Amino acid sequence: SQQGEEDPQALSIQEGENATMNCSYKTSINNLQWYRQNSGRGLVHLILIRSNEREKHSGRLRVTLDTSKKSSSLLITASRAADTASYFCATRTGANNLFFGTGTRLTVIP
Amino acid sequence: EAGVAQSPRYKIIEKRQSVAFWCNPISGHATLYWYQQILGQGPKLLIQFQNNGVVDDSQLPKDRFSAERLKGVDSTLKIQPAKLEDSAVYLCASSLGWRETEQFFGPGTRLTVL
Repeated sequence: SQQGEEDPQALSIQEGENATMNCSYKTSINNLQWYRQNSGRGLVHLILIRSNEREKHSGRLRVTLDTSKKSSSLLITASRAADTASYFCATRTGANNLFFGTGTRLTVIP
Repeated sequence: EAGVAQSPRYKIIEKRQSVAFWCNPISGHATLYWYQQILGQGPKLLIQFQNNGVVDDSQLPKDRFSAERLKGVDSTLKIQPAKLEDSAVYLCASSLGWRETEQFFGPGTRLTVL
């Protein structure tokens, strides 16, 4: 399966702390994307990193990609209660579609 | 800009019954996807359309699932007959084209099969 695996499965932090979640995958990819899912806004695209990139930033988000280890990490800095959601990595290979991981459930405690 | 619309939002049926879901993608988006998300898992692609043609339906259980996008805009996904294991959220997504990097998701339809 090309599906990624997120780690940890669940994470609980205090507001203001940083949250780091990891994703591992099995095959070569064109890009890796992170999505957020909560009951209010559904599944939303957060950030994309291409296979030839190592790091990318977007606001409070920082994504790294290590293609030699087939892994990626998502860092959310200065977390807020509104960041409470499930976070999924999704890999894209060639012309194929997105393969989603199993997700990390993040809880930010006010 | 209006997002991806889906209906109904919730559906409860008994096993062996039929059910249909509807999706209206973002205007101008040529590519439409249907995903199945079982509780506690990530979304799994069922079928991808490019305009009104099927690009990938390799993970669609074709003995019971069918989907169409006749005019290249709206799409329907049907399950007939439903099984207990079909209980899931069915997500529709769209993108400008199949090469586009970002997919826009609808709110989903939560199906419960009793």
